[in-house]
Amino acid sequence: AQTVTQSQPEMSVQEAETVTLSCTYDTSENNYYLFWYKQPPSRQMILVIRQEAYKQQNATENRFSVNFQKAAKSFSLKISDSQLGDTAMYFCAFVPSGSARQLTFGSGTQLTVLP
Amino acid sequence: ETGVTQTPRHLVMGMTNKKSLKCEQHLGHNAMYWYKQSAKKPLELMFVYNFKEQTENNSVPSRFSPECPNSSHLFLHLHTLQPEDSALYLCASRRTSGRYEQYFGPGTRLTVT
Repeated sequence: AQTVTQSQPEMSVQEAETVTLSCTYDTSENNYYLFWYKQPPSRQMILVIRQEAYKQQNATENRFSVNFQKAAKSFSLKISDSQLGDTAMYFCAFVPSGSARQLTFGSGTQLTVLP
Repeated sequence: ETGVTQTPRHLVMGMTNKKSLKCEQHLGHNAMYWYKQSAKKPLELMFVYNFKEQTENNSVPSRFSPECPNSSHLFLHLHTLQPEDSALYLCASRRTSGRYEQYFGPGTRLTVT
């Protein structure tokens, strides 16, 4: 069974600063995908970024980037130039390759961007 | 806008009522999901449908009854609910090959009185 751990229930950052959210996972699979989802106060779950485990290059989407360490089973999210609209709950998620496999979510990190 | 819509957005119902939640996806996906999100608890997967066939039921009480008439529509029929069923119910969809990310609807906030 897969597990996803987010050890920081809450974090805060000043506007325009950089923040890193941590995520670790446990799996015996070799091929899998990792995601970060964002859930703002509207409760709409939004995909932020995805990473394929077979790719060594870290994924980047504008101000969002990941630090993927496969051997350490670590998948952190870095948000640069934080904006007030980044205030949200952030969930890390894992899925092994294979059409019938389901997402496993972490418990989430509540990020607050302070003006 | 994720391409997944849910109605209603808010629902208040008594324990003896029968109501249904609706989800529709416009993404051409073949798998659809119901999740329950309660305060201070992790996201709980309830049901999974692949090509209209239910492939997973995570020990959900029978007062929740899913229906998937086609790959674009998913319903959750509610009957004789309990106050602890009050939660945000999220629908999601994904392709069944290639990419694995799920796209979520905005959710239905359900309150059982």
